[in-house]
Amino acid sequence: EVHLVETGGGLVQPGGSLRLSCAASGFNFNTYWMTWVRQAPGKGLEWVANIKHDGSQKYYVDSVKGRFTISRDNAKNSLYLQMNSLRAEDTAVYYCARYPTDFGDFDCWGQGTLVTVSS
Amino acid sequence: DIQMTQSPSSLSASVGDRVTITCRASQSISNYLNWYQQKPGKAPKLLVYGASGLQSGVPSRFSGSASGTDFTLIISSLQPEDFATYYCQQGNSFPLAFGGGTKVEIK
Repeated sequence: EVHLVETGGGLVQPGGSLRLSCAASGFNFNTYWMTWVRQAPGKGLEWVANIKHDGSQKYYVDSVKGRFTISRDNAKNSLYLQMNSLRAEDTAVYYCARYPTDFGDFDCWGQGTLVTVSS
Repeated sequence: DIQMTQSPSSLSASVGDRVTITCRASQSISNYLNWYQQKPGKAPKLLVYGASGLQSGVPSRFSGSASGTDFTLIISSLQPEDFATYYCQQGNSFPLAFGGGTKVEIK
């Protein structure tokens, strides 16, 4: 069974940094693209970033370019999101998801981790 | 960038009703359109991929269709467990994008 578990969320001051992790199990992690999606409180879903199975390609939504970095460690079956220069508008639940690429869908999701940016 | 316009933003329906949710892409995305269901406090769940493919384990009362840049999710007979928020998502090109969501509420 596919299992994705996000950790690393919490309260951080504006301008601060946080690193999210996503532990994957139940599938061949090193053969899948992976994704981060976020959801601000009471709002809709927003795609944040994608990374190819070997880490050679990365894509970001404009609002996080230059501040967030997606990465992965296939030896540890883990996905990461390094978030720097955090802003209040980055406050959200962050989900990691598997991205099979056939139709650009997200077929499996973690439970999410809450990031709150506030002074 | 491709914009996804979803309608309605909310609707009220009764158990047994047929429910239709639409999503329009700002440009051609072929059939790279996916639908998700999200219940409060839970992660989204993939329902339909590639405009009309039913994800494994999803009840057959859910179906998806496409006509050009217009896409439709139909729930043929609404069940109590279907009250949730539904999102479309384009997977054709980066940046990937979701529609604004449709909240299906009990009438």
